[in-house]
Amino acid sequence: ETGVTQTPRHLVMGMTNKKSLKCEQHLGHNAMYWYKQSAKKPLELMFVYSLEERVENNSVPSRFSPECPNSSHLFLHLHTLQPEDSALYLCASSQDGGASGNTIYFGEGSWLTVV
Amino acid sequence: AQKVTQAQTEISVVEKEDVTLDCVYETRDTTYYLFWYKQPPSGELVFLIRRNSFDEQNEISGRYSWNFQKSTSSFNFTITASQVVDSAVYFCALIEDTGGFKTIFGAGTRLFVKA
Repeated sequence: ETGVTQTPRHLVMGMTNKKSLKCEQHLGHNAMYWYKQSAKKPLELMFVYSLEERVENNSVPSRFSPECPNSSHLFLHLHTLQPEDSALYLCASSQDGGASGNTIYFGEGSWLTVV
Repeated sequence: AQKVTQAQTEISVVEKEDVTLDCVYETRDTTYYLFWYKQPPSGELVFLIRRNSFDEQNEISGRYSWNFQKSTSSFNFTITASQVVDSAVYFCALIEDTGGFKTIFGAGTRLFVKA
């Protein structure tokens, strides 16, 4: 069983819908991440939270809104998405950040289809 | 700027063949960390190995082995006696000690192992 769990695993939503992706880590880590993986594109880092504070926000459109209520939970709120936002969204966690090169551990991902 | 190149987009082998996945990286830092991940069709990126820049010892874990060579900035991954279950996308990644939370991923190599 993975130490990072994501729900739902699959989501189909219309462009006018509002939905949320949820992530929970059971590893006692301090940092949590959202990555986007589209077909034939490299992994894109979207957001990073460290100790519940956002530390990275890589020019992500405002229709994606992250929330980190505590160090174990991370949400990605979705609203008025576009079909090109269809992708695999991966949540991950690490003990800390780059210093000491902490390993990032990933969840199984949420497959999102926007229709 | 840091960069990870996986020049092999797809590799196809027959079961029991050995296969090497190439990874070349660029960094100006003297302290950095290299990783390999496996992504099966289910979507989750599974951590395989982490190496720091001061440890050039090769590593073997079962049928997996890694060859780290700083002189050529390469961190290649070999699967010996490949099996169908090894079919996946494999990602090489780099994080610099000064990189904060930004792990740089290669584009991935898709490995097909045919029975």
